[in-house]
Amino acid sequence: DVKVTQSSRYLVKRTGEKVFLECVQDMDHENMFWYRQDPGLGLRLIYFSYDVKMKEKGDIPEGYSVSREKKERFSLILESASTNQTSMYLCASSLSRHSSYEQYFGPGTRLTVT
Amino acid sequence: KQEVTQIPAALSVPEGENLVLNCSFTDSAIYNLQWFRQDPGKGLTSLLLIQSSQREQTSGRLNASLDKSSGRSTLYIAASQPGDSATYLCAVRLSGTYKYIFGTGTRLKVLA
Repeated sequence: DVKVTQSSRYLVKRTGEKVFLECVQDMDHENMFWYRQDPGLGLRLIYFSYDVKMKEKGDIPEGYSVSREKKERFSLILESASTNQTSMYLCASSLSRHSSYEQYFGPGTRLTVT
Repeated sequence: KQEVTQIPAALSVPEGENLVLNCSFTDSAIYNLQWFRQDPGKGLTSLLLIQSSQREQTSGRLNASLDKSSGRSTLYIAASQPGDSATYLCAVRLSGTYKYIFGTGTRLKVLA
């Protein structure tokens, strides 16, 4: 079974803080994704990585950056957290960019910025 | 621009009923379509993946169909149970890209 884990289930941070969200997958997947989920807006892609040190912007990358130093780990960084980044953050992975494989999701991190 | 719509947004049915959830997409140039289940406050669990060349996929009481030409997919749940209560999301992967576009989901409640 594919397992995708996220470092925290709940996180409360103050405006202006630097925030790190970590995601780890244990199935040697090439692709990893970060989404945010908001009521009425669904899931929106923030960033995507298809290999170590490779990344591509998704639909809403502003205010975020990512890091992928090892294949199994993909970090999302909020450089200076703002209240409009309060959301549910979901990490996902899939086997390969070039194959039609399923996405597997982690349990999510609910981030509140006050 | 690809848009994915799920109607209805919410559905309540008595236990034991067979039901159909709908997913529509505007651009038929898709690589595949995936159905997910999400319990409150949790991540997404993959249910079924249909490749663009397939018409349907089955897993237990679940059956998903795909009609690319009409831009529609349905998720059929047989003999619904209270444990099926969750939000069901569909997502399409666009041809030639890594991107998935998600619908906003149907919130299902199965009453005991």
